[in-house]
Amino acid sequence: NAGVTQTPKFRVLKTGQSMTLLCAQDMNHEYMYWYRQDPGMGLRLIHYSVGEGTTAKGEVPDGYNVSRLKKQNFLLGLESAAPSQTSVYFCASRATIGLGYTFGSGTRLTVV
Amino acid sequence: SQQGEEDPQALSIQEGENATMNCSYKTSINNLQWYRQNSGRGLVHLILIRSNEREKHSGRLRVTLDTSKKSSSLLITASRAADTASYFCATVGGGADGLTFGKGTHLIIQP
Repeated sequence: NAGVTQTPKFRVLKTGQSMTLLCAQDMNHEYMYWYRQDPGMGLRLIHYSVGEGTTAKGEVPDGYNVSRLKKQNFLLGLESAAPSQTSVYFCASRATIGLGYTFGSGTRLTVV
Repeated sequence: SQQGEEDPQALSIQEGENATMNCSYKTSINNLQWYRQNSGRGLVHLILIRSNEREKHSGRLRVTLDTSKKSSSLLITASRAADTASYFCATVGGGADGLTFGKGTHLIIQP
């Protein structure tokens, strides 16, 4: 039972490059989330999805796009990376409200 | 914006002692959750307390919630070196738009 799997675990990008972060969950969860964590900060919500084919903006959505074509996968895209997007990105999922979230192990992204 | 604020920001205690962390939040909630994050790792869900509950226990963990003061506390009893980690409180409102986190308390257990 893998839970939530994030790929890649590490990545270095040059300013202006694009990339996609993949989140996959095997728990049949409806809700999926992308967060970023910066030093000394808690996690901040980027985008989320309440089911296959749906996406919505969170607290810090600018510069990111997402897609949920399949229930088990939630993709986070950076079209033109900026140094301000250097962060650790976490994906999470949950079944219904009132239950805890399951987090992936994170993707550490550096934009130079 | 950050919903929760943990206090203290850092806490260092001796193994075997109890550790108490506090969390304050700003808006009404459906539930409040506590997570642990070991260095360089993902977050692990510890315990969830609903807005109509006042206290909850899970193993060595005890969580209280005071909705009138918009505050919660996490007590870890008989601390162990393996409890060294950052602890975050996170609130859930009425919708599906995820957890809102505080900045965390960094707990160090001295052997």
